[in-house]
Parts: sequence; structure tokens; C-alpha cells
Amino acid sequence: QLQLQESGPGLVKPSETLSLTCTVSGDSISSSPYYWGWIRQPPGKELEWIGIVSYSGSTYYNPSLKSRVTISVDTSKNQFSLRLASVTAADTAVYYCARRHRRGSSPFDYWGQGTLVTVSS
Amino acid sequence: QSVLTQPPSVSGAPGQRVTISCTGSSSNIGAGYDVHWYQQLPGTAPKLLVYGNNNRPSGVPDRFSGSKSGPSASLAITGLQAEDEADYYCQSYDSSLSGYALFGGGTKLTVL
Repeated sequence: QLQLQESGPGLVKPSETLSLTCTVSGDSISSSPYYWGWIRQPPGKELEWIGIVSYSGSTYYNPSLKSRVTISVDTSKNQFSLRLASVTAADTAVYYCARRHRRGSSPFDYWGQGTLVTVSS
Repeated sequence: QSVLTQPPSVSGAPGQRVTISCTGSSSNIGAGYDVHWYQQLPGTAPKLLVYGNNNRPSGVPDRFSGSKSGPSASLAITGLQAEDEADYYCQSYDSSLSGYALFGGGTKLTVL
């Protein structure tokens, strides 16, 4: 059974960089035809797609966040990571990692439980 | 304002049928991209409910069904149950935005 688990600091200061890691178990990132992605949800608000990465490191980002986002993959650890620079209070959200197939307009079929990141001094 | 428009809330009594709409445009749903639906129970991660417009993952009751027509899609829930009370999100892709994923604004379903 595939499982995704987010980890990282729950509190980040304004202007600093948010860093999260998603650990995948039950499947190998490098052997699977999937994209691995990040989605966030501010408290009481809708879901927002951040970006995705393939096992080879190809990335696609939300244009509204592209200048601040880096998503990378570490196949040796079966993990992928999110870095969001220059954060503000507007970046406070529950951050989810998720999987989608590389084929066409596929859904996000597996999600992590999510981790709340608060941006505050 | 989300590119995919959903009603903020819908409600129904147990046993009734409700529908949730998701309206896009010619650059997303109308362009032929599939629509997917997620159910988010309070305090939990979204769960895939319907994929590829009208397919259910294993384990999802057949009370849930999806449809798509032109630039819009709908999720129908029949035989409403108290446990269906949740937020529902549609999701698709957009050709004008480098093919990136879009989510609707979400609909809160209240079971009366």
C-alpha cells in the first residue's frame, strides 16, 4: 500500500525559506511512471497546486509561485522535497504531497496526511 | 476567484439526491481535459472520489457519480448519508496555463 508522509518545520519566519520533505513508502519513485507533487490549502480556503517533479528531476510549477518554488527528488531516499523562498503570512497553509500518473490529465490518487506550516515571527 | 467555479454550499436531507456543479471554460474542461472529484472530510486530506469524469476508484460507493458536458462537470450523490457531509473539490487542467492542475473553489455539503 502506497503511503506518503510530509515532514518539516511547522513554523517559519517571514522572509525565510519553507522546506518540506515527502517520504514515499510502498513504491519506488524511480521505477514508477508518476509525477510527485505538492498542493497546499490555506486555513478555511481552497486547494492550490504548487508543482510536480518526475523521478528524473523534470519539474512543472504553478506560474504564480514559480519564482519562489523549487521541487526536487532524491531517489536514493525515495523522497521528494519542496522549498518555498521569501515566505509571508499568505503562505501559511496545510501542505500536502501527492502522486499523479504521468499520462494525460490524470488525478492525484494518493495523498499524504498534510502538514500545517505557519509563517510567523 | 477560482478558474473552476463551484457553488460554495449545497444541502440535502438523508436519502435525497444532490448535485455539485463545476464550471470551467474552453481552455480547461471545455478543451477536453478530464475532471476529477475529491472528498475532504473535516481535518483530513482530500480523497479521490471520481476520476476521468465518471469513474470511481475501488471502494467508492456507486452512490457517487460524475458527468461532464462541454465546459462543465457535475458530481451527483444519491441516497445521501450523514457521513457524506464534507467539502468536495473538482480538479482539471488548463491549456492556457502550461497545462497545470486547477482546483475548484470547493463546495460544502451539509446533510440536514
